[in-house]
Amino acid sequence: SAVISQKPSRDICQRGTSLTIQCQVDSQVTMMFWYRQQPGQSLTLIATANQGSEATYESGFVIDKFPISRPNLTFSTLTVSNMSPEDSSIYLCSVAGTAGVYTGELFFGEGSRLTVL
Amino acid sequence: EDQVTQSPEALRLQEGESSSLNCSYTVSGLRGLFWYRQDPGKGPEFLFTLYSAGEEKEKERLKATLTKKESFLHITAPKPEDSATYLCAVRDSNYQLIWGAGTKLIIKP
Repeated sequence: SAVISQKPSRDICQRGTSLTIQCQVDSQVTMMFWYRQQPGQSLTLIATANQGSEATYESGFVIDKFPISRPNLTFSTLTVSNMSPEDSSIYLCSVAGTAGVYTGELFFGEGSRLTVL
Repeated sequence: EDQVTQSPEALRLQEGESSSLNCSYTVSGLRGLFWYRQDPGKGPEFLFTLYSAGEEKEKERLKATLTKKESFLHITAPKPEDSATYLCAVRDSNYQLIWGAGTKLIIKP
């Protein structure tokens, strides 16, 4: 299993500002995933963070709004830029289990609850 | 379009009252169905993987089953500590992971 630490755990931000969420894993992993979880809704994959290359974004998410860094195999950041109240959500970092990325076994951080006023 | 639907949205049970949660799916080329548990303020925690119809997995008071159209998470004689949101996800033929919205389970002592 992997232990994933996310910071901040929660924050309240003003409209138009940006917030960077950090994700630290206790072991080296090839791919890290960033998800969004809005109340009462499914988890939505924002992007896959690849070490040494640009992140791969899912439909509906763009790099200008959600820039991602992946400087090494244990760390990644997600920035939510120019925030609006619609960005209020829980943001989750996750990595695949030891059986590989194509299984459904993912480990998640505890999430970062973002409220935009 | 690939889709995962969980029902009910919420379920309240008395301690010891057994029941089932449902996950129905429409997906092209199922590559696995997964159950997770999520406690408030925490990230999801992996429970089970099921790959083919007829397969069953058990863990303590939980048993997951799979048919060609749906999966059930049976909970036997639940305890208050089983209270959580249970999430279902499926992986399609493109290895994309599609999540349901979850069932919030509340077990009253």
